[in-house]
Amino acid sequence: QSALTQPPSASGSPGQSVTISCTGTSSDVGDSDYVSWYQQHPGKAPKLMIYEVTKRPSGVPDRFSGSKSGNTASLTVSGLHTEDEADYYCSSYAGSNNYVAFGGGTKVTVL
Amino acid sequence: EVQLVESGGGLVQPGGSLRLSCVASGFTFSSYAMSWVRQAPGKGLEWVSPFSGSGASTDYADSVKGRFTISRDNFKKTLYLQIKSLRVEDTALYYCARAIGIGAFDIWGQGTMVTVSS
Repeated sequence: QSALTQPPSASGSPGQSVTISCTGTSSDVGDSDYVSWYQQHPGKAPKLMIYEVTKRPSGVPDRFSGSKSGNTASLTVSGLHTEDEADYYCSSYAGSNNYVAFGGGTKVTVL
Repeated sequence: EVQLVESGGGLVQPGGSLRLSCVASGFTFSSYAMSWVRQAPGKGLEWVSPFSGSGASTDYADSVKGRFTISRDNFKKTLYLQIKSLRVEDTALYYCARAIGIGAFDIWGQGTMVTVSS
């Protein structure tokens, strides 16, 4: 059971786009339609932003989008807002071993 | 309002035990798989275990296998996490989370802090 790999930080100016990568293996991200992304502000619980690779829960702005290619999933935040500054975590269900792997998190800074 | 409220955390010595509780409200608890996810201070998220809605099966992260036991009482709308043989590295904020689909958690509690220290 290994953690997924995310860059520790990313940044962009208001109105710009930022893309965060999440790299796993052929046993998790590469073999899963169940990749999720979470946003966490300091001192708060995580919030689900994307599930099943590309789906947005109700209430999540369409500025947030997800994609996947091979063993790497990505979260793109378009038109950055100051309130998007937060930590972002990816996760993937690994069906063969029946567990959920999380990434180490990426801190997004809005310059 | 859909809500999860955890309790039961605290300061415990290495080797000790705790039982965490998570009370659900605002949704049909028995229809959802639930999970515990923990976060060590300043660190990332770590899944502890999913739990099927029927209660028929559980799978544990390798780091907690044999020491953590999940259970639920659908009548009381409560999820439990029994933790034994606590280690310093179990120190974390423990979140209760509702699962939607497979492996996605859409509702989270505020967390209950477990500190393992002598």
